[in-house]
This record gives sequence, C-alpha cells and structure tokens, in this order.
Amino acid sequence: GENVEQHPSTLSVQEGDSAVIKCTYSDSASNYFPWYKQELGKRPQLIIDIRSNVGEKKDQRIAVTLNKTAKHFSLHITETQPEDSAVYFCAATARLQAQLWSRAINQAGTALIFGKGTTLSVSS
Amino acid sequence: NAGVTQTPKFQVLKTGQSMTLQCAQDMNHNSMYWYRQDPGMGLRLIYYSASEGTTDKGEVPNGYNVSRLNKREFSLRLESAAPSQTSVYFCASSEAGLVNEQFFGPGTRLTVL
Repeated sequence: GENVEQHPSTLSVQEGDSAVIKCTYSDSASNYFPWYKQELGKRPQLIIDIRSNVGEKKDQRIAVTLNKTAKHFSLHITETQPEDSAVYFCAATARLQAQLWSRAINQAGTALIFGKGTTLSVSS
Repeated sequence: NAGVTQTPKFQVLKTGQSMTLQCAQDMNHNSMYWYRQDPGMGLRLIYYSASEGTTDKGEVPNGYNVSRLNKREFSLRLESAAPSQTSVYFCASSEAGLVNEQFFGPGTRLTVL
C-alpha cells in the first residue's frame, strides 16, 4: 500500500533562517498533497496544499513544491519565526490496499496517508 | 460556527470496557473521518464516511466500529477496549472527499488501563 516518508524527524533553526521538510510517496495515483501544522496539545490545521496538476504553490512565507516524476514534495518556510515552532505533517491521497479491487477511481476507497511528522524548533 | 466538536475530551477505561466517541460538525460537510495519533506515528485513518449513509475502513479499523448517524454526526465505538487503543483520537470533516481541506476536532485523549 501507500507509504509516505517524511524527513527530517526534527529540525532546529535560528529565527530568520529557512526550513525545508521533505516527503516521498509511493502511490503514483496520489493527486492531493496537504501539509498540516500541529502545535503542542492542539489539533492539526492545514497550512498549505497542492494538487497534482501544479508544481509549486506559495502563500506568504510558506511554499510547497511537487515533483510527480520523482514522487516527492517539500515544504519551504522562509524567514522563520518562533511561532513557527510546531510539528508539521505531510500527507498524500492513496488507494487503500484492501479496496483496490472494489472501487473505481473516486473518493471512496482512497485515504489520506500521513507522514510521521517533523518537529520544527525555531530559536530566537 | 463551532466547526468540529468532539466529546469527551479525556477518558480512562479499563481493558474490556466499551465506549463511544462522539463527533459533530456544523459546516454542512459531506465527508467525515476518524484518526488516531500515537507518538512518532503521525495520524492514521481508522474509518471514514464519504457521505451520509456510507462508511469505509481506513488503515487501522480493527477493534473499532462507526456510525454515521446523520450528516452532522459520526461516532466511533470501541466494543472491548485494549491497552493498544490508548491514543489521541481526532475526528475531521471535509466538504466532499479527500482533495478538500479537512477540518479537525480538538481530539479525545483515551487511556486504556
């Protein structure tokens, strides 16, 4: 089944530096790649997402790049601030192994598979 | 709008006990999901409901059942809790399908002794 690998697991940067988190996926049918930020004790919240027909997307200090050929996508945070400190999760849509035979290519039978997370620490 | 709400916030069970985690959303979303989050494991999908009246297994469905009561509510039931089910459980919803933003509830921290 689908596997999403996320690196690094921890990342420490100085305020103002850039931070890059990388993810790889295995299912070539994946077509949606969101990034979530989770502060300690809080719920995950979407910070940016990208669809498979786009190579790059930016939102102020945050950008995501997607390379479908290589099956990897990355989160870039520029001019980091202490409030960027959190755990970041990447995810990719993937067909669930048990349902490959029973579902057409639609929303049913697919899932969001998450990476294991990157703990980003920004020190001032 | 309250968004996605979950009850209870915390729960302690003994092995073998049963309980139901409740989730409700007021955003008129079609799709709802249950995840569990364990340290170092990210979020893993337990069950999801693409639309009212349908439910499907996710990555880790064993030991759980779900009910999509109506468009707003999606409950997760543990019939016979086991220590391996100690986790933080998140409910989420999205407009339709997985290629739309998922909005998460605040989570339920469950401990099974």
